[in-house]
Amino acid sequence: GAGVSQSPRYKVAKRGQDVALRCDPISGHVSLFWYQQALGQGPEFLTYFQNEAQLDKSGLPSDRFFAERPEGSVSTLKIQRTQQEDSAVYLCASSSRSGVEKLFFGSGTQLSVL
Amino acid sequence: GQQVMQIPQYQHVQEGEDFTTYCNSSTTLSNIQWYKQRPGGHPVFLIQLVKSGEVKKQKRLTFQFGEAKKNSSLHITATQTTDVGTYFCAGTMYSGGGADGLTFGKGTHLIIQP
Repeated sequence: GAGVSQSPRYKVAKRGQDVALRCDPISGHVSLFWYQQALGQGPEFLTYFQNEAQLDKSGLPSDRFFAERPEGSVSTLKIQRTQQEDSAVYLCASSSRSGVEKLFFGSGTQLSVL
Repeated sequence: GQQVMQIPQYQHVQEGEDFTTYCNSSTTLSNIQWYKQRPGGHPVFLIQLVKSGEVKKQKRLTFQFGEAKKNSSLHITATQTTDVGTYFCAGTMYSGGGADGLTFGKGTHLIIQP
């Protein structure tokens, strides 16, 4: 595709609900990253995929957070039993190769947990 | 832990004035990237610096990477209203930083008064 696509754009969840956030990276991009951005803050690293392999998940805040990229393209970030502190914008980014490359960000999913 | 600090957090300038944001890391960086995020938007890549003491220019923007590869700066000459947004530095640490993931600073919010 022309850019990184994320859906939904906005998600409102009741506390305790499970949510799934989708990221469709630029076609052919090897690397995929998930970041969490709180209001007025910089993006915080969550997890990194190289193709279908999740090489780093050290940034996931708890075991309620789970990410997958089963075919090395589309990725899903799942948050179980959402809590109010999970409210943030979740950004997906992709890059064409492994290693340090410029990141192309999607527009993000703004999650609000009530 | 590994941190990238940015100052100032907010900067108000009159249109036409210059603007500088500074980025400092607690550890040596293998490289540093700069991103711009417009209000309501997503981060957009501006540039990457790799070499010690490197200086790069993009029109009115000048980027520097310190000799020790622990600090960087972005300077905008004669700001315009289109420069409004948040400028983030993001570094990759030699010791990690999330398996090729970038560690972002909290950003400098540039506000321009016409």
